[in-house]
Amino acid sequence: GESVGLHLPTLSVQEGDNSIINCAYSNSASDYFIWYKQESGKGPQFIIDIRSNMDKRQGQRVTVLLNKTVKHLSLQIAATQPGDSAVYFCAENQAGTALIFGKGTTLSVSS
Amino acid sequence: NAGVMQNPRHLVRRRGQEARLRCSPMKGHSHVYWYRQLPEEGLKFMVYLQKENIIDESGMPKERFSAEFPKEGPSILRIQQVVRGDSAAYFCASSPTGRNSDTEAFFGQGTRLTVV
Repeated sequence: GESVGLHLPTLSVQEGDNSIINCAYSNSASDYFIWYKQESGKGPQFIIDIRSNMDKRQGQRVTVLLNKTVKHLSLQIAATQPGDSAVYFCAENQAGTALIFGKGTTLSVSS
Repeated sequence: NAGVMQNPRHLVRRRGQEARLRCSPMKGHSHVYWYRQLPEEGLKFMVYLQKENIIDESGMPKERFSAEFPKEGPSILRIQQVVRGDSAAYFCASSPTGRNSDTEAFFGQGTRLTVV
């Protein structure tokens, strides 16, 4: 079965709110994690990554948090915009294996 | 620098026909990965290739599916004798180094295969 999953299939927020998308993984050997954004009809787009020797990493309007104790990964999007509406996937990479994707969370941003 | 290019974007095949999906990696990338995505699902790994070599095909169905990445030209995912269950979006990704190096992979826009 899959080792990466997301807590909620959908998330609806108002424009300007902060969004938090969660992901749980089961394999403690995973050492690299990526968040991807996929818009309808397009391929996954890299958002941000984090390695297992870190617990937080910030990008432009996005922050990824990694809690290895409970095997939890989250993506925080600040001041969510309508253009952020998409499906978000977390993925994990274990050394020597393929990138494994979860099922995704659909983020809907209303104005 | 063009991104990962996949063609065709949409492909319709009748049951029993062959489907050939092409992927040109980003310039300078020698590692290619193929994934399949069913509606409302995540991406499932199929195969990982380097030039002229299949590194990992653990996600490939045992029959009808094959992949290659020749020295010259794009990577090809071939599906023989397609069935309706093969209908999906097929994505290709490329990276400059292998997955053991913890590097991001860049995805193409996908080929949407419909089997009628």
